[in-house]
Amino acid sequence: ETGVTQTPRHLVMGMTNKKSLKCEQHLGHNAMYWYKQSAKKPLELMFVYNFKEQTENNSVPSRFSPECPNSSHLFLHLHTLQPEDSALYLCASSQDLVGTDTQYFGPGTRLTVL
Amino acid sequence: SQQGEEDPQALSIQEGENATMNCSYKTSINNLQWYRQNSGRGLVHLILIRSNEREKHSGRLRVTLDTSKKSSSLLITASRAADTASYFCATASKDNYGQNFVFGPGTRLSVLP
Repeated sequence: ETGVTQTPRHLVMGMTNKKSLKCEQHLGHNAMYWYKQSAKKPLELMFVYNFKEQTENNSVPSRFSPECPNSSHLFLHLHTLQPEDSALYLCASSQDLVGTDTQYFGPGTRLTVL
Repeated sequence: SQQGEEDPQALSIQEGENATMNCSYKTSINNLQWYRQNSGRGLVHLILIRSNEREKHSGRLRVTLDTSKKSSSLLITASRAADTASYFCATASKDNYGQNFVFGPGTRLSVLP
């Protein structure tokens, strides 16, 4: 739809599971982002990567672990999550770091933690 | 504190009417962007307006920016049922700690046929 794909689209996991979310952008962008969208709360920026280097971590708990092997791929590794971590996780990319650029979003992964 | 805040939180109008959503923010910005999100999907970028611009148009969309009042508005003219979605403003700014990009809580627009 927008050049940013996310898999899986839906994920149900127990608190003891380990899973990973994947994001891929086909736009030639240099910056990638993870956001969390919970019901009735604004989008929360979690992590920012620019040229594969992490430039921002917004006090995200260590049970969320990002990985950016190259400018086109971004992962979010999940382990020992809590039910309150259930949310829509959105990946986005932009040409360069935010400040002047439009962000292009993927469709999101709907995560449910039991 | 929240940078961008939209109002109203929810808006319900008839097809063909105009819809106006407002966004207020607290600090100086580089630009302000409006996004649209259909239920449970990713966000789609609508318009970016820079801090030195006052108005921009894109099709049926009109965005204004008043930096003296730290506010922006999004006007959708001749609304259609397909415009039903949540609309978010996001502010891009810089401070001593780096760049900030903050979304507001959004306005839920329902266009009734």
